[in-house]
Amino acid sequence: EVQVVESGGGLVQPGGSLRLSCAASGFIFSNRWMHWVRQTPEKGLVWVSRINSDGTSTAYADFVKGRFTISRDNANDRLYLQMNSLRADDTAIYYCVATTPSTDSWGQGTLVTVSS
Amino acid sequence: EIVLTQSPGTLSLSPGERVTLSCRASQNVNTNSLAWYQQRPGRAPRLLIYDTSNRAAGIPDRFGGSGSGTDFSLIIGRLEPEDFAVYYCLHYADSWTFGQGTKVEF
Repeated sequence: EVQVVESGGGLVQPGGSLRLSCAASGFIFSNRWMHWVRQTPEKGLVWVSRINSDGTSTAYADFVKGRFTISRDNANDRLYLQMNSLRADDTAIYYCVATTPSTDSWGQGTLVTVSS
Repeated sequence: EIVLTQSPGTLSLSPGERVTLSCRASQNVNTNSLAWYQQRPGRAPRLLIYDTSNRAAGIPDRFGGSGSGTDFSLIIGRLEPEDFAVYYCLHYADSWTFGQGTKVEF
């Protein structure tokens, strides 16, 4: 069964850091481009970042450039999102998404709350 | 940057009805780069349609997609109770852009 499971969310103070992880199973992780997408009731679904299959190419939404870093460990089937300089408006559910040209797999999300 | 505008914001319908959801792009979009998702409460989004008109694996044939240029549509032939949800369009290229969603409610 294809599965991605996010972890690492929680409560963090403004200006703090958090590292999200995504564990993949049931498919060849090293073949998939991976994305992080976040969701809030106010803004809906918002794309955050993506990384290509071998980790040599990344892209970021403007609002996280310079603060977030996406990376992957293909030997251990894991995706990461290092989040620094967190702000209140980064509060959201963060989803890990594994993609192919014709399908994708989403995790259930991990909640990040940025608050003092 | 492409902006996707979905309309209407909310649709109030009954089971058995046919529904057409709209997604308008701020500039021309490659038909190989437009998808539709369904999201039920408390669940992750589920891919319905990719490349404008191709159903994803396991998606019932009452779901269809069409469009070109800046105007795209998701059609649900006959609403089933499980179809009451929020629907998002997505433009995917080097980055992704989602529409703001249309809620289909009973």
